[in-house]
Amino acid sequence: AQKVTQAQTEISVVEKEDVTLDCVYETRDTTYYLFWYKQPPSGELVFLIRRNSFDEQNEISGRYSWNFQKSTSSFNFTITASQVVDSAVYFCALRGGTYKYIFGTGTRLKVLA
Amino acid sequence: GAGVSQTPSNKVTEKGKYVELRCDPISGHTALYWYRQSLGQGPEFLIYFQGTGAADDSGLPNDRFFAVRPEGSVSTLKIQRTERGDSAVYLCASSIDGGGDTQYFGPGTRLTVL
Repeated sequence: AQKVTQAQTEISVVEKEDVTLDCVYETRDTTYYLFWYKQPPSGELVFLIRRNSFDEQNEISGRYSWNFQKSTSSFNFTITASQVVDSAVYFCALRGGTYKYIFGTGTRLKVLA
Repeated sequence: GAGVSQTPSNKVTEKGKYVELRCDPISGHTALYWYRQSLGQGPEFLIYFQGTGAADDSGLPNDRFFAVRPEGSVSTLKIQRTERGDSAVYLCASSIDGGGDTQYFGPGTRLTVL
C-alpha cells in the first residue's frame, strides 16, 4: 500500500522565520515520484517540485529547498525567510507503480506579519 | 499557454439530481485525472484517463459516478442521484503522458448538494 503522511496539521510562524514542512511516504515500488503542491486561499493547486526515486540530490529554488532522504522515506520542504504570501496549505504527493497520485492531508502554513 | 479549465466553478443542486462537471485539459496532454477534495483533506483520486480510455477508475466511490473522455481531450464527470455526501470540490488535472510526470490542476468545481 502507498501512503503519504504529513503529521503537521498547522504551523504558524512569524515573517522571516524559516519553516520546515515534513512529509513521510510509504511505498514498495523501487521507482516512484514525489511532489509538493501549494494550495493558496484561492484554491488552485500550484506545482512546486517533482522528484524521482533515483535522484536524492537536494534542491534549492530561491527561498524554497527540499530534502529527499530515502533512508528515512522523507521528502521535507523548507521555506527560508518566510513571507506572508507563503501562507497556504501545502501538500506532499506520491506516485508509485500505479497511475494513482496519493496525496497527504496537507499542512496549513500561516505566516504572520 | 492556457492551463486546465473546469466548468462550472460552482454547482448547487438538490439531492437526487444529476450533475455534469467538465474539464478541459492542457492541449497535448494525454493523461487526465479527476480528484475529489473534501474540506481539510488532500485530493482523493477518482479516475485516470490515458487518451480516451479510463486506465484506472478504482477511485470512483460507487456506480453513481461515471466519467468519459470521448475524443481524448475534454472530460466530463457525471454524478447520478446526488447525495449530500457528494458535496466537495472536484479537481481535474492533466499531464503529458501519465508516466510519473507532473500533473497540472484546474481551479476545481465546488459541488454543493442540498
